[in-house]
Amino acid sequence: KAGVTQTPRYLIKTRGQQVTLSCSPISGHRSVSWYQQTPGQGLQFLFEYFSETQRNKGNFPGRFSGRQFSNSRSEMNVSTLELGDSALYLCASSSTGAQYTQYFGPGTRLTVL
Amino acid sequence: ILNVEQSPQSLHVQEGDSTNFTCSFPSSNFYALHWYRWETAKSPEALFVMTLNGDEKKKGRISATLNTKEGYSYLYIKGSQPEDSATYLCASLDQTGANNLFFGTGTRLTVIP
Repeated sequence: KAGVTQTPRYLIKTRGQQVTLSCSPISGHRSVSWYQQTPGQGLQFLFEYFSETQRNKGNFPGRFSGRQFSNSRSEMNVSTLELGDSALYLCASSSTGAQYTQYFGPGTRLTVL
Repeated sequence: ILNVEQSPQSLHVQEGDSTNFTCSFPSSNFYALHWYRWETAKSPEALFVMTLNGDEKKKGRISATLNTKEGYSYLYIKGSQPEDSATYLCASLDQTGANNLFFGTGTRLTVIP
């Protein structure tokens, strides 16, 4: 089975721009979660999608949004980028949700200048 | 928000030494505890998902125990090898219905040949 893939792997943007990151889960997995990691911080939960519906959302501003398509692929969008948004963004998929093993992608490294 | 803490923050051991680290989590409304290994430049890899008090899991030289009443889990590595060098993350999930994992900041293990 192919693993979780994320595109792009690296991205450089400037303040004020917006960005869209993509995540393709393992085939058959319907749950996709997104996490942000910044230096010195643990993985911070952004949101989780299951069957095209956002089931849960972390404590992030509304500039962070996402969606999931019928094939379970998910996108995450950040609008009006700030310097503090520079981070590694990871997505993880599982068959039904967080109580089960999460399979992580390689991440997208976003740098905001 | 669940407060998940890991200790120590980093650890250096000699090849062949056995080692262990701790994950502390809120014991009330506990549902599941995850352990992941995250090697540099790779994706976090699932080690264990534990749900029952007193549960013990083993995978090769790595094992973990769980105490849900007092809110801690130990990860043990027997006979550490250089390839065990990684950051070990734990994450907790509670029963409130929120379907997201709360991660600790990790223990960075370096095994010196």
